[in-house]
Amino acid sequence: EAGVVQSPRYKIIEKKQPVAFWCNPISGHNTLYWYLQNLGQGPELLIRYENEEAVDDSQLPKDRFSAERLKGVDSTLKIQPAELGDSAVYLCASSRGEASGGLNNEQFFGPGTRLTVL
Amino acid sequence: AQSVTQLGSHVSVSEGALVLLRCNYSSSVPPYLFWYVQYPNQGLQLLLKYTSAATLVKGINGFEAEFKKSETSFHLTKPSAHMSDAAEYFCAVSGTDSWGKLQFGAGTQVVVTP
Repeated sequence: EAGVVQSPRYKIIEKKQPVAFWCNPISGHNTLYWYLQNLGQGPELLIRYENEEAVDDSQLPKDRFSAERLKGVDSTLKIQPAELGDSAVYLCASSRGEASGGLNNEQFFGPGTRLTVL
Repeated sequence: AQSVTQLGSHVSVSEGALVLLRCNYSSSVPPYLFWYVQYPNQGLQLLLKYTSAATLVKGINGFEAEFKKSETSFHLTKPSAHMSDAAEYFCAVSGTDSWGKLQFGAGTQVVVTP
């Protein structure tokens, strides 16, 4: 089966510009996650979706970050305006979902988008 | 709440030698534990997982990990390192009360020398 697809793979922008990342999860996976990974650190959850509902966005900086998953499949993460400190890798992951028997929560990760803010 | 501590941000091993990566967790409920590997410019790939079945868990690429409740540890081992094992390894925990919430450690970078 195809894995999690993310685009773009790399993005360079100037500060104060907007940027958007796109994710297509594995077919049939109801749960979608966006993570932030700073250099030399583990991923940190930004937001989790169950179908089209954001069930955990407590770590999402809502003043500049937004996300959507309108039809419960693809998702977009946006930053507006970007700051220097936003330079990082943004990872998308998906899993089957608790209701689908995904109790052990195995998450499958995409390759990430590496953002550089100048 | 759950948390993970990985001891050692960098580990250097000789090809053919034992690989040992340490992970200690903190959890107020029975945990689920995971080891992921990340190769350069790639996403994370699941190596193995503990979900309250057997305490010795075998994963891909010859890796295994043992869940020790008394020590709150889930160390990752491989008997004989291969050059292709050079990567970053992350331990992660979630709890039976926090489905969908993986807490990752800071990672351990493994370098394999000839």
